[in-house]
Amino acid sequence: GEDVEQSLFLSVREGDSSVINCTYTDSSSTYLYWYKQEPGAGLQLLTYIFSNMDMKQDQRLTVLLNKKDKHLSLRIADTQTGDSAIYFCAEGPGGQGGKLIFGQGTELSVKP
Amino acid sequence: EADIYQTPRYLVIGTGKKITLECSQTMGHDKMYWYQQDPGMELHLIHYSYGVNSTEKGDLSSESTVSRIRTEHFPLTLESARPSHTSQYLCASSEFGRGTGELFFGEGSRLTVL
Repeated sequence: GEDVEQSLFLSVREGDSSVINCTYTDSSSTYLYWYKQEPGAGLQLLTYIFSNMDMKQDQRLTVLLNKKDKHLSLRIADTQTGDSAIYFCAEGPGGQGGKLIFGQGTELSVKP
Repeated sequence: EADIYQTPRYLVIGTGKKITLECSQTMGHDKMYWYQQDPGMELHLIHYSYGVNSTEKGDLSSESTVSRIRTEHFPLTLESARPSHTSQYLCASSEFGRGTGELFFGEGSRLTVL
């Protein structure tokens, strides 16, 4: 079945770049998403990428998609302590399709 | 900002009590979902609905039940709570049709059963 894998933890220093990686198995996925969850809260969509794109940039966030290797990454430039959170990768077929498949989440810890 | 609301945010109850977690959205979304999030962070889909009077069980078996009598409302009920039900429950919704299919999440309901 479909599966999404992420490493569980990442620790960086404030001001450094963070790179969170994700691999997925469903090559028919139309959209890939990054969600952020702060302590005690729900998930918020950070960004998404359409499967025919290789890269998407949005301010400090850069998403890279390697369809051949089924690998997705999220780079956060100039990481701040406020970026400390859990980041979830997810894949899905888009609005007319079925459910999203989520990874296990990566806990990002930013040290001052 | 997403217009999806969950109540209560926090609930501590004794074993054997019946509880209902409420979820409402004002976006007119057809699809709604309940996820259970364990302490290890992973999300498990326990119920979903693609419209009024439609409910399906998710990937993780759950003793809870859901109903979808109105588009905007998707409550989750536990008839007899047990300590094993202690968890964070997240409600989400999405729009059916053209678009990204992204989920909008509520803030979550943290349930503790003593």
